Amino acid sequence: KAGVTQTPRYLIKTRGQQVTLSCSPISGHRSVSWYQQTPGQGLQFLFEYFSETQRNKGNFPGRFSGRQFSNSRSEMNVSTLELGDSALYLCASSLNAGRDGELFFGEGSRLTVL
Amino acid sequence: KNQVEQSPQSLIILEGKNCTLQCNYTVSPFSNLRWYKQDTGRGPVSLTIMTFSENTKSNGRYTATLDADTKQSSLHITASQLSDSASYICVVSVNSGYSTLTFGKGTMLLVSP
Repeated sequence: KAGVTQTPRYLIKTRGQQVTLSCSPISGHRSVSWYQQTPGQGLQFLFEYFSETQRNKGNFPGRFSGRQFSNSRSEMNVSTLELGDSALYLCASSLNAGRDGELFFGEGSRLTVL
Repeated sequence: KNQVEQSPQSLIILEGKNCTLQCNYTVSPFSNLRWYKQDTGRGPVSLTIMTFSENTKSNGRYTATLDADTKQSSLHITASQLSDSASYICVVSVNSGYSTLTFGKGTMLLVSP
C-alpha cells in the first residue's frame, strides 16, 4: 500500500514568488492536513481538509491557502513568499476527519526562500 | 493556553543503553497523547497513541506511559540502537468539539556507538 506522497521534495524560491505543494494521501484516506516544521517552532498546524472542505485552520496568514480535490489529493499554496517561510512542509493523511485517528505523514517538501 | 513541553531538548546515549524522554502537557480537555519518531529529513512516524484510560503502551523496544492526573507522559527506549537516533515528538489531542493537536518541539536523541 503506497504511503503519503508529497511533491516536490525540494524547491528553492525567491522572496515575493509563490509556490504550490502537492500531497497524495494513502488510498482510501479522505482527510489531509498540512503542517509547517521549522527548527525553532517545531510542527505547526496549517489546515485540514476532508471531502474537499476545509475543516480547521491554524494561525497562519492568508498567504497560506489550500484545497482538496475529489480524489482526496490536496495542494497548498503560499503566495508572496517571505524568508521566514523557509521550512519543511509536511502533509498527513487519515481515514476520517478530526484527528483522533492515526496520522500518516509524507516525507515533506523542503522549501528554501532566498 | 494549551502547551506541550518536552525534555530534554537533546540527549546523547551509548548504544545498548536505555533512556527516558519526558512530555508534560497543559491541554484540556484531553483526548489522546501520541509519540512520533522523526528521522532526519523524513516525515514523523507514529509510535504509540494513548487515550485517557491507558497508562502504558508498548511498541517493540518503545514503551510510553501516561499519567493523566499529573499530565505527564514518558517514552522509554530499551537497549538503544543506532537507528533510534531521531527526533521524538509528543503530540496531545484536544477534544474540543473538533479535535485539534498540540505539538511538542521534540527531543533530539543521538545514539552513539
